[in-house]
Parts: sequence; structure tokens; C-alpha cells
Amino acid sequence: KQEVTQIPAALSVPEGENLVLNCSFTDSAIYNLQWFRQDPGKGLTSLLLIQSSQREQTSGRLNASLDKSSGRSTLYIAASQPGDSATYLCAVRGAQKLVFGQGTRLTINP
Amino acid sequence: ETGVTQTPRHLVMGMTNKKSLKCEQHLGHNAMYWYKQSAKKPLELMFVYNFKEQTENNSVPSRFSPECPNSSHLFLHLHTLQPEDSALYLCASSPTTSGGAWEEQFFGPGTRLTVL
Repeated sequence: KQEVTQIPAALSVPEGENLVLNCSFTDSAIYNLQWFRQDPGKGLTSLLLIQSSQREQTSGRLNASLDKSSGRSTLYIAASQPGDSATYLCAVRGAQKLVFGQGTRLTINP
Repeated sequence: ETGVTQTPRHLVMGMTNKKSLKCEQHLGHNAMYWYKQSAKKPLELMFVYNFKEQTENNSVPSRFSPECPNSSHLFLHLHTLQPEDSALYLCASSPTTSGGAWEEQFFGPGTRLTVL
């Protein structure tokens, strides 16, 4: 059974810092890995999707990497801004299911 | 309307009520999903539909009854719920569930359900 773990559970940093969020998964037989953002009480917004054959994806200030063999992914956020404050969720897809981690709650302090 | 929409956005119901959640996707997708998000727990997959056919029921209690009349609409019928069923219910869609490498799920804003 696939299990996804995100560390840390919460992170608070000053504005302007570069930061890394971590995601690990137990079963490396995945199709893809997706990073989402969720604002309080809201739905999920897809940030980046990395296919199993890829090593990384970039979108603006965000860069996600995937090391399938070691069961790890990182989300790098450059030059953080208060608007980046949200919960970041990692999800891996195997067969039909998307299995989620519990998320990292990120707070960027002005 | 674009993307995935869900109605209502908020719902308060008693344990003896019957209500329905609605999801509609405007992306031309063929697969739709219901997820439950409880406080302090990861998102849990509930049901999967592909081309209107249910392909997965993740051991969900029968007080939750899904319905998918076509590829664009998905309902979740609720009856005799318990307070522990209070959660954010999220709907998502994807092109299919074929497991193809390029599948990406798109989520609606969710329905915040409170059971009294």
C-alpha cells in the first residue's frame, strides 16, 4: 500500500527566502507525482506534474524534482512571497489512484 | 463556467436529512472522482468513475451514494450521515483513468459539509 509522507508538517519563513518542501513515498511504481496548493477552506490548485520518466519540472519560481528510485520529491520555492502562504500537498499516482500526503502548511512572514 | 464546479459550497445538515452534492466539469474529461478531506488527515479517495461507470469504491459506507449520469456530472447523495462525516468533499476530473502517464487531475473548490 502506497504511503506518502511530507516533511515538515509546518514551516514559517521570512519573505524572500528560498525554501524546500519534501515528499517521500514508499512504492516507486508510480505513473506521476503532482504538487498542489490548497488555500484555507478551498479546493486544490495543481502546481506541477512530473511524469515518472522525468527528473524535474519548473514553473516560474517553482521547481519540483523527482527521484523515483529513492521515493523522493522536493518542491523548491525561490524568493518566497506572502502570497505563497498555503498548504502544499504532494500526491503520487499509481494505477487509478492518487495518494496524498498530509501536506506542509507554509507561512511566509512579511 | 470553466474547470470543475461544485455546489453547494457549504452545507449544514442533520443526521436524518437527505441531501446531494453536485459536481460539474467543463473540461471534456471522462473520469471523475470524489475525495474526502477531514481535519488532520490526508485526502481520501472515495469513488472513481470512468466513462460513467464506477471503477472504484474505496470501502465507503453506504450512507454515501454516488451517481454519474454522464461524463460531465457527478453527484454524491447523502443520507443518515454521522457527525464524523463532517469534512470538505472535493470533486476532481481527469481525461480518463487509463493510467496513462499524462493524466492530471483537476479539482473543484469543494463543498464544506457539517453534520449536526
